[in-house]
Amino acid sequence: NAGVTQTPKFRVLKTGQSMTLLCAQDMNHEYMYWYRQDPGMGLRLIHYSVGEGTTAKGEVPDGYNVSRLKKQNFLLGLESAAPSQTSVYFCASSYSTRGAGDPYEQYFGPGTRLTVT
Amino acid sequence: AQSVTQPDIHITVSEGASLELRCNYSYGATPYLFWYVQSPGQGLQLLLKYFSGDTLVQGIKGFEAEFKRSQSSFNLRKPSVHWSDAAEYFCAVGGGSNYKLTFGKGTLLTVNP
Repeated sequence: NAGVTQTPKFRVLKTGQSMTLLCAQDMNHEYMYWYRQDPGMGLRLIHYSVGEGTTAKGEVPDGYNVSRLKKQNFLLGLESAAPSQTSVYFCASSYSTRGAGDPYEQYFGPGTRLTVT
Repeated sequence: AQSVTQPDIHITVSEGASLELRCNYSYGATPYLFWYVQSPGQGLQLLLKYFSGDTLVQGIKGFEAEFKRSQSSFNLRKPSVHWSDAAEYFCAVGGGSNYKLTFGKGTLLTVNP
């Protein structure tokens, strides 16, 4: 049981380049989330999904897109990277209808450190 | 809208001393409350949570937290800090039907030998 995994762990982009971050979970969770973490800012929600095929905007969605084509995967895309998107990105998931878990209890991946130059 | 305030950005304690990290929340109904810990370069690990019932909750690594509705607080405590507790601690609040959490900005804990 790997939990929540994120690919890649590190990435350096030039301004204007695009990339996709992959989040995968093997806990059969319904809900998935993408956060960014910046010094002194805590975690801020970018986008989230409450089920396969559904996505919604969080607190800081501009410049990002997401897709949830499969229940276990949640992709975060940057179409044209900007230096302001330099951050650590965390994926999280919660709530399995098969278990006793609570929908608010989120399980986090190890993070992706992205630098945009 | 829900919000969380962690008033202390950075706390330094000596090993063996007691610890209290403060968390104040804003939410109109009974909240779901969490404390997470993040070691350097790592993801977030759940320390403890409160949904209902006993207002004093026990977590992993010897931590506990007390929910005080009258003060809108959920402070984290540990009676004797170990050097391995040095990390950043985040308080989070959830509620409503969207299942989102709102995180505080974190408190960085330094432990002196």
